Amino acid sequence: DAGVIQSPRHEVTEMGQEVTLRCKPISGHDYLFWYRQTMMRGLELLIYFNNNVPIDDSGMPEDRFSAKMPNASFSTLKIQPSEPRDSAVYFCASRHGGGAHEQYFGPGTRLTVT
Amino acid sequence: EDKVVQSPLSLVVHEGDTVTLNCSYEVTNFRSLLWYKQEKKAPTFLFMLTSSGIEKKSGRLSSILDKKELFSILNITATQTGDSAVYLCADLFGNEKLTFGTGTRLTIIP
Repeated sequence: DAGVIQSPRHEVTEMGQEVTLRCKPISGHDYLFWYRQTMMRGLELLIYFNNNVPIDDSGMPEDRFSAKMPNASFSTLKIQPSEPRDSAVYFCASRHGGGAHEQYFGPGTRLTVT
Repeated sequence: EDKVVQSPLSLVVHEGDTVTLNCSYEVTNFRSLLWYKQEKKAPTFLFMLTSSGIEKKSGRLSSILDKKELFSILNITATQTGDSAVYLCADLFGNEKLTFGTGTRLTIIP
């Protein structure tokens, strides 16, 4: 299995630009999670989907952030407009449905907004 | 939202030493506690603990949960340089949400 795939791995952009991060979960996994990791705040859950439906987006910091999951094998996290304080590593994770709750993380996208 | 506190924040030991990492949590709809290892990239899953007092073991790593005192420990025996990483614990509560602690940065000196 290829594991969770994220792209791009690194993104450098200027303040005000739109940024789109992409994720392909592990095939057969029913849940998809987007996290953000910073030195100050650690690893925080932004939003998660179950069977492509957003279940909880209470961690999304503000309206500039949006996430979609158009099908079982693809999700995007968009920031528009981006700000320097959005600089962080963004992880996507997925897990199977049922009783197992361990989440499998992708390699992350390191976002730098200048 | 639950709060997860890990200690120590960082730890430096010599190869071959045994270490114990601590994780305490607040219970609100507690379901399970998970441990992850994060080297330079993504966190990788180590253990999930649901029942109190039952040790989970994988090679030199082991972990146990105390639901009465609301904490878990992760033990690593005969440490190796490859064990150097940030160790994260996370509380699974409510539906599917994991709340992560800030982690313990473990450094193993050869």
